[in-house]
Amino acid sequence: SQKIEQNSEALNIQEGKTATLTCNYTNYSPAYLQWYRQDPGRGPVFLLLIRENEKEKRKERLKVTFDTTLKQSLFHITASQPADSATYLCALDTGRRALTFGSGTRLQVQP
Amino acid sequence: EPEVTQTPSHQVTQMGQEVILRCVPISNHLYFYWYRQILGQKVEFLVSFYNNEISEKSEIFDDQFSVERPDGSNFTLKIRSTKLEDSAMYFCASTRQLDYEQYFGPGTRLTVT
Repeated sequence: SQKIEQNSEALNIQEGKTATLTCNYTNYSPAYLQWYRQDPGRGPVFLLLIRENEKEKRKERLKVTFDTTLKQSLFHITASQPADSATYLCALDTGRRALTFGSGTRLQVQP
Repeated sequence: EPEVTQTPSHQVTQMGQEVILRCVPISNHLYFYWYRQILGQKVEFLVSFYNNEISEKSEIFDDQFSVERPDGSNFTLKIRSTKLEDSAMYFCASTRQLDYEQYFGPGTRLTVT
């Protein structure tokens, strides 16, 4: 069956450091991989989308990589700030616009 | 910046009752979605809607569920006879025609007692 795993339930880092979050998947051929941020009690907020034929995408302090051979995406936040503390969700899409979400990684950035 | 809105923010209902959750997608978006998130669990896809018909649905979206776009702005999810296990946060989302990133609303917390 299709499975998406995000590396850890929680990640604690110091302000200014780079946070790296991992998303692994099996039995899936996504056309797109997306990253969302979710704050407690709120809806997911779109951050970045990367296509299956792209290796890397950047937006300001965010960077995502996509390796379809390893079936893995890495999501980086550079120069992290306490305001970056949230749960980050990986979501896969075969192109049919039905997102399959991972369970998320809760990031805590300590001042 | 345009946002997806949802009403009500919290709905409490008794088991067996019908509920309608309402959403106003972003105005120039053409794809609409419903997702749910049971407390402490993953966000789960329910249904997508385009050109006035369902384009995809998950196994969760059984005969108890229906969606409708009754006018040019609203998008609704109806649960005909609620069960305790329907208690969850329900999120509406929308997308522009040529894009794939989804814009989510703030959610409706449904509590079935």
